Amino acid sequence: AQTVTQSQPEMSVQEAETVTLSCTYDTSESDYYLFWYKQPPSRQMILVIRQEAYKQQNATENRFSVNFQKAAKSFSLKISDSQLGDAAMYFCAYTNRDDKIIFGKGTRLHILP
Amino acid sequence: DTAVSQTPKYLVTQMGNDKSIKCEQNLGHDTMYWYKQDSKKFLKIMFSYNNKELIINETVPNRFSPKSPDKAHLNLHINSLELGDSAVYFCASSPKMGTREETQYFGPGTRLLVL
Repeated sequence: AQTVTQSQPEMSVQEAETVTLSCTYDTSESDYYLFWYKQPPSRQMILVIRQEAYKQQNATENRFSVNFQKAAKSFSLKISDSQLGDAAMYFCAYTNRDDKIIFGKGTRLHILP
Repeated sequence: DTAVSQTPKYLVTQMGNDKSIKCEQNLGHDTMYWYKQDSKKFLKIMFSYNNKELIINETVPNRFSPKSPDKAHLNLHINSLELGDSAVYFCASSPKMGTREETQYFGPGTRLLVL
């Protein structure tokens, strides 16, 4: 069975600094998608970044980038130049071709002014 | 035992019809969600209920209406179906708001095709 593990329940970072959120997963499949979602206090679910497993190039979206290590089954999220609005719960998520969706337990990110 | 179940798994219907998708969770969770998955596998949240109360209502057409008869069920009713409604719809639930037990558990999805 597939699993997604976020080992950091909470993290804090100074405004304008860089922070990395870790995520590891386990699957026997070769074709899947990985996501980072942001859930602010409003409890909406906002897509941060998406990575297709067959693509070796790490996805980047403005200040957000991932370090995708397929062999190690690692999918960490780097947030550069952290802003107060980045404070939220971040979920790492896995989806396969059959639409099986698994979320990690989340990492709560605090931004210190 | 299935934790979050959705029925039907597949739904093919004509434009203009009204249809419902049912969702049930047997995990004892307080919060339930409906998402629409787009062609790139993104999950776009539509609604969220906490203990039968609506807490998130994203900008979706008012043809979509959620109904929560009790905290274990969150059904999605769609009126006057349009071609653009074709997608996979996911139901999810999570244990507690405001704690680390917020991770979401997803149902298998309902594949809706509007002809």
